[in-house]
Amino acid sequence: GDSVTQTEGLVTLTKGLPVMLNCTYQTTYSPFLFWYVQHLNEAPKLLLKSSTDNKRTEHQGFYATLHKSSSSFHLQKSSVQLSDSALYFCARGTNAYKVIFGKGTHLHVLP
Amino acid sequence: AQTIHQWPVAEIKAVGSPLSLGCTIKGKSSPNLYWYWQATGGTLQQLFYSITVGQVESVVQLNLSASRPKDDQFILSTEKLLLSHSGFYLCAWSPAGPNTEVFFGKGTRLTVV
Repeated sequence: GDSVTQTEGLVTLTKGLPVMLNCTYQTTYSPFLFWYVQHLNEAPKLLLKSSTDNKRTEHQGFYATLHKSSSSFHLQKSSVQLSDSALYFCARGTNAYKVIFGKGTHLHVLP
Repeated sequence: AQTIHQWPVAEIKAVGSPLSLGCTIKGKSSPNLYWYWQATGGTLQQLFYSITVGQVESVVQLNLSASRPKDDQFILSTEKLLLSHSGFYLCAWSPAGPNTEVFFGKGTRLTVV
């Protein structure tokens, strides 16, 4: 069926370290994939999007590559900052006016 | 640039009381409009969507209803609130057509007591 899976519920690491948040999806057609970031008591904001296979997309130091062969769209950053602490959602579009969101990954960056 | 305004910012309501939440989008003609609900720290659950004035589709039943009285306005309501209605309600828009990203308003924090 149609779904988005984020395997980590919480990721905790020290600032300056690299991070990768996992996202895999299931779909029967060509997808649009998105990453949203939600800071505490704020609305989610679009961080990245892609529908092109094997092309890296970047924004605000974060990057992700859609791999249709493995149905993945992992989010990465080479050096996390304290301000990156937030809730991150992977999501994908559908043909039915519905954006399906994963359960979210809390990223907690320590000083 | 498109702007989306939600009201109210926060509400504290009693169980059994009525509720009306609204949002208005400016700077975009005939957008798709959505209502999402989020439990604290939880995922985003789509409730309704509308692709045109007067037409609203339900995605999940939570004893809520939605209406789109104008092209730029989307209303979420219920006649009787339940404790389970507490959470963060987000209005969102997307460009016309399916399979696109959504852009969220700032949300309404609802506490049912």
